[in-house]
Amino acid sequence: AQSVTQLDSQVPVFEEAPVELRCNYSSSVSVYLFWYVQYPNQGLQLLLKYLSGSTLVKGINGFEAEFNKSQTSFHLRKPSVHISDTAEYFCAVQEGGATNKLIFGTGTLLAVQP
Amino acid sequence: GAVVSQHPSRVICKSGTSVKIECRSLDFQATTMFWYRQFPKQSLMLMATSNEGSKATYEQGVEKDKFLINHASLTLSTLTVTSAHPEDSSFYICSARRLRRGWADTQYFGPGTRLTVL
Repeated sequence: AQSVTQLDSQVPVFEEAPVELRCNYSSSVSVYLFWYVQYPNQGLQLLLKYLSGSTLVKGINGFEAEFNKSQTSFHLRKPSVHISDTAEYFCAVQEGGATNKLIFGTGTLLAVQP
Repeated sequence: GAVVSQHPSRVICKSGTSVKIECRSLDFQATTMFWYRQFPKQSLMLMATSNEGSKATYEQGVEKDKFLINHASLTLSTLTVTSAHPEDSSFYICSARRLRRGWADTQYFGPGTRLTVL
């Protein structure tokens, strides 16, 4: 069975500082990996996804993530955060192939302080 | 882009009434739609998967008769919460996925519906 672990429930960071949000997954088969962002009282917006190919994936709003198969990780990074990046970030895994379910991590609240 | 809408965005109802939530894919055809439930400060929990023209597949622990799902067309799925009770109050989010070239495409999420049962 697949699972996703986001160890940090909250990450406080000062504006313009770099940030890394950690995500580890477990799966016995190949997977697709996603990062979504959720602003208060809104749905989820796709930040980036890894399906295959280059392990470094660039997304919207200056975010990027690196797929590391040996460490089963897909950490999200941004070199310089803004106040507007304050939101909940969810990592998710989906089994490869024509299925189906996204399994979400518990989320990490990125709190950017001035 | 792929846009998914939900209606209503917010609903307050009395205990015992039924509430219908619509999920629409606006600019693509969605062969599969998903319904999630999110409690405050928690992650999304998949409730059910619906494929156009067939019965929904519910996750373990989700009551089929309470959460009725209909996926009547390639752009519309509805979730009806029947005989709602205060414990059904939650944030309900749908997502839609199109199938391209034999592999699964990304899920695109709606903005969510805040249900409050008094």
